[in-house]
Amino acid sequence: SQQGEEDPQALSIQEGENATMNCSYKTSINNLQWYRQNSGRGLVHLILIRSNEREKHSGRLRVTLDTSKKSSSLLITASRAADTASYFCATTGTASKLTFGTGTRLQVTL
Amino acid sequence: EAQVTQNPRYLITVTGKKLTVTCSQNMNHEYMSWYRQDPGLGLRQIYYSMNVEVTDKGDVPEGYKVSRKEKRNFPLILESPSPNQTSLYFCASSLNRADTQYFGPGTRLTVL
Repeated sequence: SQQGEEDPQALSIQEGENATMNCSYKTSINNLQWYRQNSGRGLVHLILIRSNEREKHSGRLRVTLDTSKKSSSLLITASRAADTASYFCATTGTASKLTFGTGTRLQVTL
Repeated sequence: EAQVTQNPRYLITVTGKKLTVTCSQNMNHEYMSWYRQDPGLGLRQIYYSMNVEVTDKGDVPEGYKVSRKEKRNFPLILESPSPNQTSLYFCASSLNRADTQYFGPGTRLTVL
């Protein structure tokens, strides 16, 4: 069963713009992770944020977590064509099971 | 180089013909798992293994088998494949089930 749901399902922006995608989940979590998937390839881990953290940065990525709203957002600043990919959130609940959402497809055009 | 490998990368087979997809990791990870990815459904876990000789069902285990005889290997077995098992399959490994997952490159399976 899916725990996380990403929004929007698809996003198209121009190079240099910021991209924001959101993840909502239903039950309490221990941590939340974001992954990137280039077309047809394996997922690559981007960032992990724990339930007691509110914000984390990694390069051009910023992740926020609001446990009261059961939601997280991934911000990619100054996007590049190479950022074109699908982005998935994955939540770890109290049973330590990792559950993936259905993903946001990001298209960055020149 | 730390990695998860899967073989084959592409496979076309016919209904009922047993097949095995291999998965191997070189990071000494205890936790390994298999996922299938279908359009609109995201990744769904098929089976996972917490350690050698310890395996358990994920969300969609029907029609699949696994084994974990060695720490590094976690093969996925389809005893009698059916067309609804046509999918993109990923193996992943991690230190534990809640930690960062390292994914293999994927196996695209078509069952005719």
